[in-house]
Amino acid sequence: NAGVTQTPKFRILKIGQSMTLQCTQDMNHNYMYWYRQDPGMGLKLIYYSVGAGITDKGEVPNGYNVSRSTTEDFPLRLELAAPSQTSVYFCASSYPLDRSGALSFGPGTRLTVT
Amino acid sequence: AQTVTQSQPEMSVQEAETVTLSCTYDTSESDYYLFWYKQPPSRQMILVIRQEAYKQQNATENRFSVNFQKAAKSFSLKISDSQLGDAAMYFCAYTQGGSEKLVFGKGTKLTVNP
Repeated sequence: NAGVTQTPKFRILKIGQSMTLQCTQDMNHNYMYWYRQDPGMGLKLIYYSVGAGITDKGEVPNGYNVSRSTTEDFPLRLELAAPSQTSVYFCASSYPLDRSGALSFGPGTRLTVT
Repeated sequence: AQTVTQSQPEMSVQEAETVTLSCTYDTSESDYYLFWYKQPPSRQMILVIRQEAYKQQNATENRFSVNFQKAAKSFSLKISDSQLGDAAMYFCAYTQGGSEKLVFGKGTKLTVNP
C-alpha cells in the first residue's frame, strides 16, 4: 500500500513553460485534492475532486487545470508557468472528511519557476 | 468564510517538557471537525489528532492532547514529554460537516532543544 504518490519531487520551469504534476493513490479514496504551500502561508486549496469525472475549484485555481478520469489519478496541469507559481505542491486524498477525519498527503513537489 | 488562526509563528521547548500550541477558528456552524497536522522537514503532512465538535471530551493520542473550548472557538494542542522527533511545523485545520474542504492555519514552527 503506497498511499499517495507524487511525481516529480523537484522541478525547475522557465516562465511560459507547461507541465503536469502527477498524483496517484491506491487507497480507493473518492476525494482528492491539490494544495500549494507558500512559505509562512499554510496550505491553499487549488482544486479538488469528489469522484471520477467530477472536479471543482478551490481558493486559488487560476493558472491551473485538473482532470479526474479514474479514482486513482488526479493530475495537475500548469499552463504558461509564472514566477508566482513557485511553491510546494501537495496532493492528498481522503474518504469524506466528516467520516474519515483526515487527509492522506503525498510527499510534495517543489516547483521553481524562473 | 471560516478562518483558522495560529498566533504563534514559532515555539520552542526543552526535551521532556510540555508545550502548548494555540489555534482559534471562526465559524457559525455547529457541525464541524478540527485537526492538528505535523509537517517535519521531510515535508510529509501527518495527522496528529482529530476532534469532532459535537464531542465534549478532548481528544488524546499518546503524548498529544487537545484543549477544545467550543464557546471560545479555541483548539490548542498539548505535547507532553517532548521528544526531538516532535520538531516540525504544526498546522491547525478546520472542516465543516459535509464539506469537502479543509481550511488550514499558517502553522507554528516547533523547535525541541536537547
